[in-house]
Amino acid sequence: KAGVTQTPRYLIKTRGQQVTLSCSPISGHRSVSWYQQTPGQGLQFLFEYFSETQRNKGNFPGRFSGRQFSNSRSEMNVSTLELGDSALYLCASRTVGGAEAFFGQGTRLTVV
Amino acid sequence: DQQVKQNSPSLSVQEGRISILNCDYTNSMFDYFLWYKKYPAEGPTFLISISSIKDKNEDGRFTVFLNKSAKHLSLHIVPSQPGDSAVYFCAAAQGAQKLVFGQGTRLTINP
Repeated sequence: KAGVTQTPRYLIKTRGQQVTLSCSPISGHRSVSWYQQTPGQGLQFLFEYFSETQRNKGNFPGRFSGRQFSNSRSEMNVSTLELGDSALYLCASRTVGGAEAFFGQGTRLTVV
Repeated sequence: DQQVKQNSPSLSVQEGRISILNCDYTNSMFDYFLWYKKYPAEGPTFLISISSIKDKNEDGRFTVFLNKSAKHLSLHIVPSQPGDSAVYFCAAAQGAQKLVFGQGTRLTINP
């Protein structure tokens, strides 16, 4: 069974640009969550989607948005990029009602 | 509001000895707790979990202890091996709600 797949693995963007990250969950997993990890910080929760609906949202500005498609694949978008958005963005999928989340390898975003 | 805290940013242990990583939480509604291991530039890997109805769960060299009255859990690794060097995150959830993670503890195993 394939794991969680995130693309791309690495990205370099310029301040003010926007970026879209993609996540394909484990087959059969309908819940997808996104996290941001910055140096010295834990995993900060961004949002969670289930059956194409946002179920939970963390404390991030509206520049961060996401969506989920009918095949459970999810995308995350960050608009008007700032230097502080440089981070490792992680996607995790879970089964319905499951607490254990399985993570992808992440997308390393660098904003210059 | 940091609901899950790992107060030790780093821990250094000699190979073969026991590593003990600690985690505290404030939300008494949490009923499921997990430990993840993370290498640089990779996603966290699930290690072991425990439900609030238990106080201990063991899987090979890894044991997680839960003290609900103290709102404290710990991960014991025995014996510690060089490959255990990584950042360890504890996480907690209430039912199927979002996972809340601690800040992580960097474990270094010295030969």
